[in-house]
Amino acid sequence: GAVVSQHPSRVICKSGTSVKIECRSLDFQATTMFWYRQFPKQSLMLMATSNEGSKATYEQGVEKDKFLINHASLTLSTLTVTSAHPEDSSFYICSAKTGGVGGIYNEQFFGPGTRLTVL
Amino acid sequence: AQSVSQHNHHVILSEAASLELGCNYSYGGTVNLFWYVQYPGQHLQLLLKYFSGDPLVKGIKGFEAEFIKSKFSFNLRKPSVQWSDTAEYFCAVNTGFQKLVFGTGTRLLVSP
Repeated sequence: GAVVSQHPSRVICKSGTSVKIECRSLDFQATTMFWYRQFPKQSLMLMATSNEGSKATYEQGVEKDKFLINHASLTLSTLTVTSAHPEDSSFYICSAKTGGVGGIYNEQFFGPGTRLTVL
Repeated sequence: AQSVSQHNHHVILSEAASLELGCNYSYGGTVNLFWYVQYPGQHLQLLLKYFSGDPLVKGIKGFEAEFIKSKFSFNLRKPSVQWSDTAEYFCAVNTGFQKLVFGTGTRLLVSP
């Protein structure tokens, strides 16, 4: 149980185009989903937190107009990188958690990640 | 702001050596603690987790970690490492505000 998928696993795009990445919870309802970014040989940095049906909360320094997040259902969140540039090339990882507060409800289940390369 | 420190950035061990990776966090309240592993070219996998109860937590693949509240630490241990343990290890802390804060990671290389 608690499987999270991401699509696509890899994407290469030209500078200036937009790319959409999907994150799905396959066997549970994810009230909250998270988007992380991981640069080569570095740790995961939280970009934003999204709750189903409401606007995402972005971390300081993350441009909300560049990284559009939609969490329209309890099993799907999307991250759209708008007008992508080479510096946006990175590994994007989503995670999801169920409802509830505290204890076991704080565990996040991670997707396999999407490697974005912007030429 | 909460932070997580992993003091060992790179560790090199021979097979059968014992492993201990340090993890310290800065937060005075209730915490949930996690260790994740990322094998080369693969995605993040949960090794073990602590929510409450016995501070000595056993995880998969022979790993364990001990939560020492007074030291704000959650060190990862394995008595005898294998070549297949070569990976990057991340400590992460959740303070109840939903956010998971990751340490900078420790890259472990086990030589056969």
